[in-house]
Amino acid sequence: GAVVSQHPSWVICKSGTSVKIECRSLDFQATTMFWYRQFPKQSLMLMATSNEGSKATYEQGVEKDKFLINHASLTLSTLTVTSAHPEDSSFYICSAIRQGNQPQHFGDGTRLSIL
Amino acid sequence: QQQVKQSPQSLIVQKGGISIINCAYENTAFDYFPWYQQFPGKGPALLIAIRPDVSEKKEGRFTISFNKSAKQFSLHIMDSQPGDSATYFCAASMRGGQNFVFGPGTRLSVLP
Repeated sequence: GAVVSQHPSWVICKSGTSVKIECRSLDFQATTMFWYRQFPKQSLMLMATSNEGSKATYEQGVEKDKFLINHASLTLSTLTVTSAHPEDSSFYICSAIRQGNQPQHFGDGTRLSIL
Repeated sequence: QQQVKQSPQSLIVQKGGISIINCAYENTAFDYFPWYQQFPGKGPALLIAIRPDVSEKKEGRFTISFNKSAKQFSLHIMDSQPGDSATYFCAASMRGGQNFVFGPGTRLSVLP
């Protein structure tokens, strides 16, 4: 149990386009989902915490207008990278937790490459 | 105070050996300490976790040792196998999964 699915796994697009990444909890309801960014050979950097039905909480230095997060249901959160540029290229990973419970369960990540 | 320190940064172990990774934290409000294993191009996968009311937890070849007074915890991988080669992250969080903090990671290579 506790499977988190992330889609797409890899996306390549031109500079200036917007990219949407989906994160789904397949077999449990997730009141809280997290979005991370990971650079090569580095740890995970928390970008934002997303609670179902409310606005996401962004970490300091993360542009909320650049990285739009929507947590519309207990099983789905989306991250939209708006007007993506090459510096946005990275590995984006989501995670989810059950209500009032730990641990975080992670998706397999999305490798985003902006040309 | 929110940091979790992890060492070593990289580790090379012979097949069959013991791999030991150490972590330390400052915030005594942390009450949950998981370890994650990450293979290249994949998301982290939960390996084993411990709460501060126990000093040790073992699951198969993986053991967490927890020292509450020293605010340290470690992962021991017994009989290390080449398939264990991955990056390992320790983490700490508060009740409810908030304020989840990752260590910088340890790249483990197990030689055949």
